[in-house]
Amino acid sequence: AQRVTQPEKLLSVFKGAPVELKCNYSYSGSPELFWYVQYSRQRLQLLLRHISRESIKGFTADLNKGETSFHLKKPFAQEEDSAMYYCALSGRGNTGKLIFGQGTTLQVKP
Amino acid sequence: NAGVTQTPKFQVLKTGQSMTLQCAQDMNHNSMYWYRQDPGMGLRLIYYSASEGTTDKGEVPNGYNVSRLNKREFSLRLESAAPSQTSVYFCASSEASNIQYFGAGTRLSVL
Repeated sequence: AQRVTQPEKLLSVFKGAPVELKCNYSYSGSPELFWYVQYSRQRLQLLLRHISRESIKGFTADLNKGETSFHLKKPFAQEEDSAMYYCALSGRGNTGKLIFGQGTTLQVKP
Repeated sequence: NAGVTQTPKFQVLKTGQSMTLQCAQDMNHNSMYWYRQDPGMGLRLIYYSASEGTTDKGEVPNGYNVSRLNKREFSLRLESAAPSQTSVYFCASSEASNIQYFGAGTRLSVL
């Protein structure tokens, strides 16, 4: 079965601290993984996708097929990073459907 | 460039009432989706439409119907609203890249 698990509902860190939001997935084929972010009073938007292998707003995520993980990392958190983060999976040739994790709220304290 | 537009933004219904949530996109995308967002559950797919004229059930379709009116518009209908349908509803669209673009959401309360 296809599944995305984000084990933490809430992650609270201080400004300047490293951040790691965990994401594990279950998929039998070769998935495409995404991180979406929802800032307060804004719509959900793409943060990054694994095939792009880029850093957005200082965030990176590496697909680890052995551990079936796609953790989101940032070395130094900023207050403006406070938001809800969703990990999502799309199967190849899957008409673009996404399976979302439960979401993790990141709270960066001053 | 509006992207994905949803109406209404807020709605309160009584149990048993019906309503239609509207969604339109101006990006010429083939695929459109309806999700519901509930605390601790993430976003769950209700229905999707891979192209104009086709619709398919997602993870939680019960109690909902959809219409892909044309390439731009994809509506979600609740025929007889229930309190369990209290949620925030998101419409999204995508093209071949699989990147989905979301609307601002509709916050629905069923009393």
